[in-house]
Amino acid sequence: DTGVSQNPRHKITKRGQNVTFRCDPISEHNRLYWYRQTLGQGPEFLTYFQNEAQLEKSRLLSDRFSAERPKGSFSTLEIQRTEQGDSAMYLCASSFQGGNIQYFGAGTRLSVL
Amino acid sequence: GENVEQHPSTLSVQEGDSAVIKCTYSDSASNYFPWYKQELGKGPQLIIDIRSNVGEKKDQRIAVTLNKTAKHFSLHITETQPEDSAVYFCAVRTPGSQGNLIFGKGTKLSVKP
Repeated sequence: DTGVSQNPRHKITKRGQNVTFRCDPISEHNRLYWYRQTLGQGPEFLTYFQNEAQLEKSRLLSDRFSAERPKGSFSTLEIQRTEQGDSAMYLCASSFQGGNIQYFGAGTRLSVL
Repeated sequence: GENVEQHPSTLSVQEGDSAVIKCTYSDSASNYFPWYKQELGKGPQLIIDIRSNVGEKKDQRIAVTLNKTAKHFSLHITETQPEDSAVYFCAVRTPGSQGNLIFGKGTKLSVKP
């Protein structure tokens, strides 16, 4: 098992463009989480899935953000009409249902110019 | 909502010394307290965790103590080594939620050889 995989590792975009990130969780982990981390801060929870169902969303997840996990395996996080304030590291984590431990990927660093 | 405070924000020690990082939380019903280590360019990696029904847990040079009455928990690293240099985050899981880890702002630990 190679752990949680995130692609791309880096993304540079212009303000107003749409971006999409992908997360492949550890196989057989049915829970998948998205977090955002800005410089000098801890990760902030955005949303999580149990299988294909999105069960919890933070108020940080504005209507420009959408996350999907259509087959209960990989997940995508899309940001529409990006703003400079969206620049951050977007982290994905996965866990077993009922398990405490969340395993994190290396993240996608987004820079909005 | 839950609030997690972490101190100190930076910590510098000599190799071989001990390091202690403290976190306080606000919601007395919180029940799971992990510690993550994040190295440059990598995602957070779990190093130790503790549940609310346990007061202390140790794993080789790393230990975590929990004081539920005072609502604080601490990470103790003994016999520090240069490879312990990283940013350490505490986190708290809010009650009633399987997805929402609330992180502290992190402590940058530098171990000088």
